[in-house]
Amino acid sequence: QSALTQPPSASGSPGQSVTISCTGTSSDVGGYNYVSWYQHHPGKAPKLMIYEVTKRPSGVPDRFSGSKSGNTASLTVSGLQAEDEADYYCNSYAGRNNFVFGTGTKVTVL
Amino acid sequence: EVKLVESGGGLVQPGGSLRLSCAASGFTFRDYYMDWVRQAPGKGLEWVARITNNPSSYKTDYAASVKGRFTISRDESKNSVFLQMNSLKTEDTAVYYCVRDAHTAFDPWGQGTLVTVSS
Repeated sequence: QSALTQPPSASGSPGQSVTISCTGTSSDVGGYNYVSWYQHHPGKAPKLMIYEVTKRPSGVPDRFSGSKSGNTASLTVSGLQAEDEADYYCNSYAGRNNFVFGTGTKVTVL
Repeated sequence: EVKLVESGGGLVQPGGSLRLSCAASGFTFRDYYMDWVRQAPGKGLEWVARITNNPSSYKTDYAASVKGRFTISRDESKNSVFLQMNSLKTEDTAVYYCVRDAHTAFDPWGQGTLVTVSS
């Protein structure tokens, strides 16, 4: 199972928006509405930010939103804040009880 | 507070074995599937293994990279999940995270335990 493709980096100034893409295939991202996104500050436990493509767990700011079109899912962070600087990973169910993560995107707040 | 605490990591030689443990608290353990996810140094996250929550018939699944070498198990009496790792390779070097599996997402994650496979 190949990793989902994410851009290595993304950046924006405070208050701006940044969108991260996550491209897979019809066997994973395109085939199921089970895409989730995780924020990972190095040295800490990753944190769930979005699940089932668009849903936000309680406690996650509504600045974070998810979407999907075809084989590509996206995470948008609006109103960027300094604490949003982290690595972000997408994940998708890939059938046959397997899961696949994205390659990861480092978000920098300028 | 939902909490997952991993232990058992360390340095092991190629070909060796190691058993990771994860103690869960703050939720009804028997209601959830549990998984292990790892991150090699400088690399991304990789899903490793999953175990269902039906004591009469636990079902397990593995990533192709560890199938046949790793075994996931759980003990309901101890609210714990385990990962037995055999025939370890240098490429198994990673931080291993224990995660609660809500079927469509992983939440929460433990702090992780470092496994280093080196001679």
